[in-house]
Amino acid sequence: EDQVTQSPEALRLQEGESSSLNCSYTVSGLRGLFWYRQDPGKGPEFLFTLYSAGEEKEKERLKATLTKKESFLHITAPKPEDSATYLCAVRRAGNMLTFGGGTRLMVKP
Amino acid sequence: NAGVTQTPKFRVLKTGQSMTLLCAQDMNHEYMYWYRQDPGMGLRLIHYSVGEGTTAKGEVPDGYNVSRLKKQNFLLGLESAAPSQTSVYFCASSSGTGGVNEQFFGPGTRLTVL
Repeated sequence: EDQVTQSPEALRLQEGESSSLNCSYTVSGLRGLFWYRQDPGKGPEFLFTLYSAGEEKEKERLKATLTKKESFLHITAPKPEDSATYLCAVRRAGNMLTFGGGTRLMVKP
Repeated sequence: NAGVTQTPKFRVLKTGQSMTLLCAQDMNHEYMYWYRQDPGMGLRLIHYSVGEGTTAKGEVPDGYNVSRLKKQNFLLGLESAAPSQTSVYFCASSSGTGGVNEQFFGPGTRLTVL
């Protein structure tokens, strides 16, 4: 059975303090690992898809990386507007996604 | 383009009442999904559809029914609501199994069952 575990559950950073979020997974035949951002009271918003170990993708202050067992979302010099819940999901057959529990990020000015 | 829209945004039901949540997408997507999101449990798939006229069960289908009569709409029904169905419900759509194929989510419906 596919499993996705995200850590930490919550993370408080000062503005400019870089850090990483972790997503560890077990899946039979990875067909893609997805990162989403979710603001309070809103639906998840797509950030990245990674398909193979060693792949990296960047968007502004965010960089996602992938190994055979986990993915990291690196946040460089975060700003208060980066505060949100970040969700990780793995794709299985038929484009179904299994989501992790999310990491709630709070960036203080 | 509106993307994925959901109706209603909020709803309060009494135990045993029924209701239907409506999801609409204007991206001509083949696949549509219904999820529920509960604190500490992440998003869980209830039902999904791979095309007009088709539906299939996800991880937590009990107590829910769905219909996809038109490609752009996906309805989620609760025949006899229970307090355990108190949750935030999200609809999503995607183009299919090829390409990047990310799922686009609606804004959610917050449902409380008393």
